[in-house]
Amino acid sequence: GAVVSQHPSRVICKSGTSVKIECRSLDFQATTMFWYRQFPKKSLMLMATSNEGSKATYEQGVEKDKFLINHASLTLSTLTVTSAHPEDSSFYICSARSGGTSSGNTIYFGEGSWLTVV
Amino acid sequence: AQSVAQPEDQVNVAEGNPLTVKCTYSVSGNPYLFWYVQYPNRGLQFLLKYITGDNLVKGSYGFEAEFNKSQTSFHLKKPSALVSDSALYFCAVRDTGMNRDDKIIFGKGTRLHILP
Repeated sequence: GAVVSQHPSRVICKSGTSVKIECRSLDFQATTMFWYRQFPKKSLMLMATSNEGSKATYEQGVEKDKFLINHASLTLSTLTVTSAHPEDSSFYICSARSGGTSSGNTIYFGEGSWLTVV
Repeated sequence: AQSVAQPEDQVNVAEGNPLTVKCTYSVSGNPYLFWYVQYPNRGLQFLLKYITGDNLVKGSYGFEAEFNKSQTSFHLKKPSALVSDSALYFCAVRDTGMNRDDKIIFGKGTRLHILP
């Protein structure tokens, strides 16, 4: 199946600094990528939908100035957590949709990135 | 807006027995339905999807799911459970109705424990 690579898998940063997480579709072009956040023992919370070449669409309650999403190419989307705080510590997962614009195309997920803000 | 429910936080099954993980959904149009599995500290792996056609969908690792439109359900099943099936399972839905958006919404997840 299609592969989505997420990097880094684990990152520790100091409070107040920014950290970037990359999401790459390795063997397909992804016009749409999604960023999720998973809290311990909780389900996935959709943060934003990222379309190549346009601004991301953020879910209600997600601070777009804090969680910067860039989808510069058909194979790469980045999430930058700016001015990170300990409460931003979480498991962040990206996903990418394979194939054109068909609504049924499969979504493939990255392995996730553990962010710890100290 | 679409929604999906997984009524069980945890399911325990003895190895070799059949397993079922329940999922129900709500959409305005026809649903696209998905099952994913998550192992500890890992991302999600795609198991199977229903888009159209045969209501019984077969997926990875011997799993299958049955789409039941009248009951708005998409339960995940496997005839004979393995200890290695122990993981967190997520059901997801995407709406195709007039008011659809581009989102896939996940259930809260069901932890499956296969007892040796």
